[in-house]
Amino acid sequence: DQQVKQNSPSLSVQEGRISILNCDYTNSMFDYFLWYKKYPAEGPTFLISISSIKDKNEDGRFTVFLNKSAKHLSLHIVPSQPGDSAVYFCAASADNYGQNFVFGPGTRLSVLP
Amino acid sequence: NAGVTQTPKFRVLKTGQSMTLLCAQDMNHEYMYWYRQDPGMGLRLIHYSVGEGTTAKGEVPDGYNVSRLKKQNFLLGLESAAPSQTSVYFCASSYVEGPIYEQYFGPGTRLTVT
Repeated sequence: DQQVKQNSPSLSVQEGRISILNCDYTNSMFDYFLWYKKYPAEGPTFLISISSIKDKNEDGRFTVFLNKSAKHLSLHIVPSQPGDSAVYFCAASADNYGQNFVFGPGTRLSVLP
Repeated sequence: NAGVTQTPKFRVLKTGQSMTLLCAQDMNHEYMYWYRQDPGMGLRLIHYSVGEGTTAKGEVPDGYNVSRLKKQNFLLGLESAAPSQTSVYFCASSYVEGPIYEQYFGPGTRLTVT
């Protein structure tokens, strides 16, 4: 059973609008969360992180929200740009050690011009 | 600064053949990892290393071996390839400092076993 779920395999958004990518997890011990972005034929690249001591973290157009009681996090991209079209993975860990991060299956975001 | 590099980028093997995937990083990272990515699934950890000369098993280690003889290199070996090992393989490395230990990934190796 997947511990980290991204229930939307794909998402399409108009350029300039908000993109919201969701991630749910089942392990209540998870305290560290990461989002990665992946373009075709490239490896994932780190985008933004959050730990459970916060419920929000912002970096430019990207904001991650964490709702620990609901075991849910979301990535907001505002405004969305065509260059944001990629696959987005969330990852979670209980102890911040790299080998223990569990990755979700990813959501493919398409930003339409 | 090349970051994390992987060779080869593509490979086709016949069942039973062996091969080694090479990962190299120039960021002086202590930790290195090998993942596989299959359709509809997240990255799954095969093996990892917390320093030169050390390796450990991840979630899906069966059928693979690894070695970390030099800090900058992490090798993944398939001794007898099987069709179930058809996948995209990613190597990654990470610091062990900072608030959260994000990983830096290579571009991937697409392996097909026929």
